[in-house]
Amino acid sequence: KQEVTQIPAALSVPEGENLVLNCSFTDSAIYNLQWFRQDPGKGLTSLLLIQSSQREQTSGRLNASLDKSSGRSTLYIAASQPGDSATYLCAGWTGNQFYFGTGTSLTVIP
Amino acid sequence: GAVVSQHPSWVICKSGTSVKIECRSLDFQATTMFWYRQFPKQSLMLMATSNEGSKATYEQGVEKDKFLINHASLTLSTLTVTSAHPEDSSFYICSATGGTSGRALYEQYFGPGTRLTVT
Repeated sequence: KQEVTQIPAALSVPEGENLVLNCSFTDSAIYNLQWFRQDPGKGLTSLLLIQSSQREQTSGRLNASLDKSSGRSTLYIAASQPGDSATYLCAGWTGNQFYFGTGTSLTVIP
Repeated sequence: GAVVSQHPSWVICKSGTSVKIECRSLDFQATTMFWYRQFPKQSLMLMATSNEGSKATYEQGVEKDKFLINHASLTLSTLTVTSAHPEDSSFYICSATGGTSGRALYEQYFGPGTRLTVT
């Protein structure tokens, strides 16, 4: 069974700092890896999707990488802003369902 | 983008009662809907997958007689927690997609969740 772990569980950084969120998965047989943002009172929002054949995806200040062989993905956030404060979830898609990580709660301090 | 709503956003009920949670796709036809449960400090766990007009497929360990799922239309799915107990207290999230296979399945749109507290 796929297990997805995210480190750290919580992170607090001053505004403007670059940061990296980590995601590891036990089964490399995933079709893709997505990073989501979860805000209280709102649904999950997909930030980046990396297909299994890709190594990274970029969107604005966000960059996600995927290394299937090592079972790892990272989400890099550049020049963090208070509005980036949220919980970030990674999820591996196995073809019929997502396996979600436990999330990293990010707080960006103005 | 596509919007999925849930109602209610939070609910408190007494042990032994039943509670219904609605999940609606507001601007697209949701052929497939998913129900997840998230306990504090834990990841979202898939409970069941439902296709419009057919019976839901439940994940191992999820009691189908306790968590009744109805997907009677292309815009509405309901989850009814029957005879709720305190251990059912959790955050329930639905998601929806307009397809039944391939890319459409993982391009899901998530609702804002429903916080259920059973006293």
